[in-house]
Amino acid sequence: DVKVTQSSRYLVKRTGEKVFLECVQDMDHENMFWYRQDPGLGLRLIYFSYDVKMKEKGDIPEGYSVSREKKERFSLILESASTNQTSMYLCASSTTRDRAEQYFGPGTRLTVT
Amino acid sequence: GDSVTQMEGPVTLSEEAFLTINCTYTATGYPSLFWYVQYPGEGLQLLLKATKADDKGSNKGFEATYRKETTSFHLEKGSVQVSDSAVYFCALSDQGGYQKVTFGTGTKLQVIP
Repeated sequence: DVKVTQSSRYLVKRTGEKVFLECVQDMDHENMFWYRQDPGLGLRLIYFSYDVKMKEKGDIPEGYSVSREKKERFSLILESASTNQTSMYLCASSTTRDRAEQYFGPGTRLTVT
Repeated sequence: GDSVTQMEGPVTLSEEAFLTINCTYTATGYPSLFWYVQYPGEGLQLLLKATKADDKGSNKGFEATYRKETTSFHLEKGSVQVSDSAVYFCALSDQGGYQKVTFGTGTKLQVIP
């Protein structure tokens, strides 16, 4: 089974802190994605990566950056956390052949106070 | 741009009732269509998909038919169980190189014994 793991299930940070969310997949997938999930808004794509060291902006990249130094790991960085970044963050991965069939991690619920 | 509209929840049904969750979409070209399910405390899982008009996706007793003429992909199940309680997301992917996925806002289903 494909396994996507995220470093934390729950995280509480203060406004202005730098926050790192880590995601690891074990199926050698080329593509990795970061979404945020908010009630009434569904999932919104923040960034995605289709190869090591490659990244593309999604629909809501402002306030976020990403890093992909190894194929299996994709990190989301909040340079200076703000309260409006309180959300559920979901990581996903997929193959190049079936980019849209995505495998998701369990999510990290981030609270910024 | 592409969009997905699904019925608002929550939907509450008794065990063994018939389920329909409506989903309509707007897209250019011929998207692929998906239903994802999110069980409590977990990430999303692909439930079923259809890649062209009139295709029927099915899995775990759930079905959905790609209706191009009505731009719809309604999810149905003949007899729901308590274990089907979850949030269901309709989604589409475009035919571009990145196969970007657009998700609906999700419909929460609660099945009571």
